[in-house]
Amino acid sequence: DGGITQSPKYLFRKEGQNVTLSCEQNLNHDAMYWYRQDPGQGLRLIYYSQIVNDFQKGDIAEGYSVSREKKESFPLTVTSAQKNPTAFYLCASSILRTGLLSYGYTFGSGTRLTVV
Amino acid sequence: AQSVAQPEDQVNVAEGNPLTVKCTYSVSGNPYLFWYVQYPNRGLQFLLKYITGDNLVKGSYGFEAEFNKSQTSFHLKKPSALVSDSALYFCAVREEGGYSSASKIIFGSGTRLSIRP
Repeated sequence: DGGITQSPKYLFRKEGQNVTLSCEQNLNHDAMYWYRQDPGQGLRLIYYSQIVNDFQKGDIAEGYSVSREKKESFPLTVTSAQKNPTAFYLCASSILRTGLLSYGYTFGSGTRLTVV
Repeated sequence: AQSVAQPEDQVNVAEGNPLTVKCTYSVSGNPYLFWYVQYPNRGLQFLLKYITGDNLVKGSYGFEAEFNKSQTSFHLKKPSALVSDSALYFCAVREEGGYSSASKIIFGSGTRLSIRP
């Protein structure tokens, strides 16, 4: 089955540590996105990538880093510079070709990160 | 710039009654409109979308949405609510156009739907 997989489902981080959240898709989608969701809140875009080896900052990129070395993978690193990292992190992917923008996003099931 | 607004943080409905979750949008061109649902500790699931054609769009779980171009609205509706419909609902818009950074989907802030037995 095609889909988008996030791991781990739950992650605990100590103060000052970097952690990496995994996002893998086998949908052959061009674009991938990372969102942060705080309790009861909407989605805030952290980073997105439209093509391999290229990515752009979203609205709240400070304290985060990403890479896109393969089309299928878009890992997110939460660095120690992110002062309030406890949140639910969602990865999404989409087709990004002219004429196919009517397709929406496919979301992963999320990773809940907690600072301990 | 694209934007989407969900004016209600929460909607409360009795089971069996009709429900409406409101959404308005702003784009400079033709919009692609989406509704997603999120259950606790889960990702967003696609419910339905409007691309073109019939203004009334039917989707999953008995939901439908009505596209109104003059009012720039895309309200989500269901004739008879179920307790299991309780969740967080997101409206989203993408502008028709070419391959560009503007092709990102913009999400509303979400509306929590609570259905009481």
